[in-house]
Amino acid sequence: QSVLTQPPSVSGAPGQRVTISCTGSSSNIGAGYDVHWYQQLPGTAPKLLIYGNSNRPSGVPDRFSGSKSGTSASLAITGLQAEDEADYYCQSYDSSLSGPWVFGGGTKLTVL
Amino acid sequence: QVQLVQSGAEVKKPGASVKVSCKASGYTFTSYGISWVRQAPGQGLEWMGWISAYNGNTNYAQKLQGRVTMTTDTSTSTAYMELRSLRSDDTAVYYCARGKLWSNFDYWGQGTLVTVSS
Repeated sequence: QSVLTQPPSVSGAPGQRVTISCTGSSSNIGAGYDVHWYQQLPGTAPKLLIYGNSNRPSGVPDRFSGSKSGTSASLAITGLQAEDEADYYCQSYDSSLSGPWVFGGGTKLTVL
Repeated sequence: QVQLVQSGAEVKKPGASVKVSCKASGYTFTSYGISWVRQAPGQGLEWMGWISAYNGNTNYAQKLQGRVTMTTDTSTSTAYMELRSLRSDDTAVYYCARGKLWSNFDYWGQGTLVTVSS
């Protein structure tokens, strides 16, 4: 059972927009800690996709965006492409014994 | 460019220990910490612990306290993770990742598969 809750899977057709939610609590996201997102392509190491809730590292397309509100965060992907098919993980800091760094359980994105 | 290069795959018997290395290059090693994250087959990411490359301070996940030790060698810009009393459920890919306290993990190693089997 992960401290941060993500849907196990989402899907969308090429060109569509999808969102992935990440729900936490008052000891992590709700406490004001930043949320970060990682993309893991099959058989590879995770890659930082969004940091500090809504910032993109250099090289990440602006089709990817992040937001945070209250005890939740979201990753949005617009103009879906086949190469976006991957696992996505949210991560935050947690002040309870679960932490300090905690991940969501991951969401498998399928491009139909 | 920043690179984290990990040691190769390991096969261990239950009860044994494993030590995985992570050699950093392309940045000032002591300006960042190193976290270790593992991923069991078909499962999600699990944070294991963090070490400051500046002063060696560590912070371990509660469930691994007493079984894991993280160290660094600043002369070679290498971080190490040792896990003892291995069990079958320790079978996983182990990643090192660069990150400062409170922050994200911006660069990752390629991963090291550790298989625990009798």
